[in-house]
Amino acid sequence: KAGVTQTPRYLIKTRGQQVTLSCSPISGHRSVSWYQQTPGQGLQFLFEYFSETQRNKGNFPGRFSGRQFSNSRSEMNVSTLELGDSALYLCASSLAPQGLDNEQFFGPGTRLTVL
Amino acid sequence: AQSVTQLGSHVSVSEGALVLLRCNYSSSVPPYLFWYVQYPNQGLQLLLKYTTGATLVKGINGFEAEFKKSETSFHLTKPSAHMSDAAEYFCAVSESGANSKLTFGKGITLSVRP
Repeated sequence: KAGVTQTPRYLIKTRGQQVTLSCSPISGHRSVSWYQQTPGQGLQFLFEYFSETQRNKGNFPGRFSGRQFSNSRSEMNVSTLELGDSALYLCASSLAPQGLDNEQFFGPGTRLTVL
Repeated sequence: AQSVTQLGSHVSVSEGALVLLRCNYSSSVPPYLFWYVQYPNQGLQLLLKYTTGATLVKGINGFEAEFKKSETSFHLTKPSAHMSDAAEYFCAVSESGANSKLTFGKGITLSVRP
């Protein structure tokens, strides 16, 4: 069974641009969560989608948005990029929504660098 | 609101020595607790989890953790460190409920000396 895949793996953008990251969950998984990982802040929850609906959202500005498609694939978009958005963005999928004892499976992440 | 505290950012042990990584949590309801490991340039992998039942939980690669409600702790241990254990370790807490989410600690980097 294929794991969680994220594309692209590496991305370099300049301030003010926008970026779209993609996540394909494990087949059959309907929940996709996104996290931002930085050395200073650690892992911070961005949002979770389940069955195409945003189920939960972290404390990030509106520049960060996401969506989920009917095949459970998810995208996240960051507009008007800032230097502080440089981070590793991790996607995780699970069968059921967060809050139950189901395991989240993580992808390898997309490394975004903003210059 | 739930939270996780992992004291210190770096632990160094000798190969063959005991590994002890500390985690304390805050939760208003009985929590679900997790330990994840992240190897360089990879995503996170679940080591073990506590939901209900036995408070001593065994995971992969010889790791185990004990849920102590009175101490609000979920420390991770391994009797004998191996070089391949060098990685970053994250403790996480989740609560049941309609809008619950997984909250991670800041992580601890484990180094293993030969």
